[in-house]
Amino acid sequence: RKEVEQDPGPFNVPEGATVAFNCTYSNSASQSFFWYRQDCRKEPKLLMSVYSSGNEDGRFTAQLNRASQYISLLIRDSKLSDSATYLCVVTRSGNTGKLIFGQGTTLQVKP
Amino acid sequence: DVKVTQSSRYLVKRTGEKVFLECVQDMDHENMFWYRQDPGLGLRLIYFSYDVKMKEKGDIPEGYSVSREKKERFSLILESASTNQTSMYLCASRGPGLAGGSLGEQYFGPGTRLTVT
Repeated sequence: RKEVEQDPGPFNVPEGATVAFNCTYSNSASQSFFWYRQDCRKEPKLLMSVYSSGNEDGRFTAQLNRASQYISLLIRDSKLSDSATYLCVVTRSGNTGKLIFGQGTTLQVKP
Repeated sequence: DVKVTQSSRYLVKRTGEKVFLECVQDMDHENMFWYRQDPGLGLRLIYFSYDVKMKEKGDIPEGYSVSREKKERFSLILESASTNQTSMYLCASRGPGLAGGSLGEQYFGPGTRLTVT
C-alpha cells in the first residue's frame, strides 16, 4: 500500500464547476499536510497547507480528517487556469521534515 | 522571491558516466532536498541535507551520492549512470517553519531531465 494515495484522474470538468479531490495517508503519526500544484513540465509549487480545523483560500478549501487519515481539496468555480496536477503531501512521521508525495490528481478544466 | 536554480534543464549521458547535478538556492535555507519524479511513481526523495556537510538518505539513495560544501549549494552525483536513472530530477529547499509547528514551504527548482543511453 502506498503511503499517500490519490486517484490520478484525469478529472475533466467544465468551467465554473466545483470539483473535489481526496487523498488518504497510511501513517497516523504524520503531522503536516499540504497540497502542491504542478503545471505541465513545471516544478511543484505550494498551493496551501492543510490545518486540522480546515482552511480556505479564495476558491480553494482544504480539509483534514485525522481519524480517517484523509485529506481533501475542494475547488469552487473552476477556471481554465486551474488545470494542473494536484499533489497531496504529508510528512512521514511527526515533523521530521521528510515529505511524502502522492502521485497527483490531474485536473483538466474545459471551456 | 526565493529562487532555486539547477545547472541544466536537459542532460544526455552515456551508461557508466559520472554525472553531477547542481542546485543553488538564494534564500539561506538550511534544508535542501533531491527528488526524482517518474510517471506513476510521483516524487521520491533521494537525499536531503539539513546543514552544510550534513546529509541523510531518503527513500531511494542507491546509485547516488550528494555533496553540500556550502549552504547555498547541494549537488547530486550519479557515480556510474545507468539507464534506470533516466528521470526528472528536482531539487528543493525548505523555508523556516510556520506558526503552529507546521513545516515551511518547499521551493523547487525547474528540474533537470536526465536521459541515460
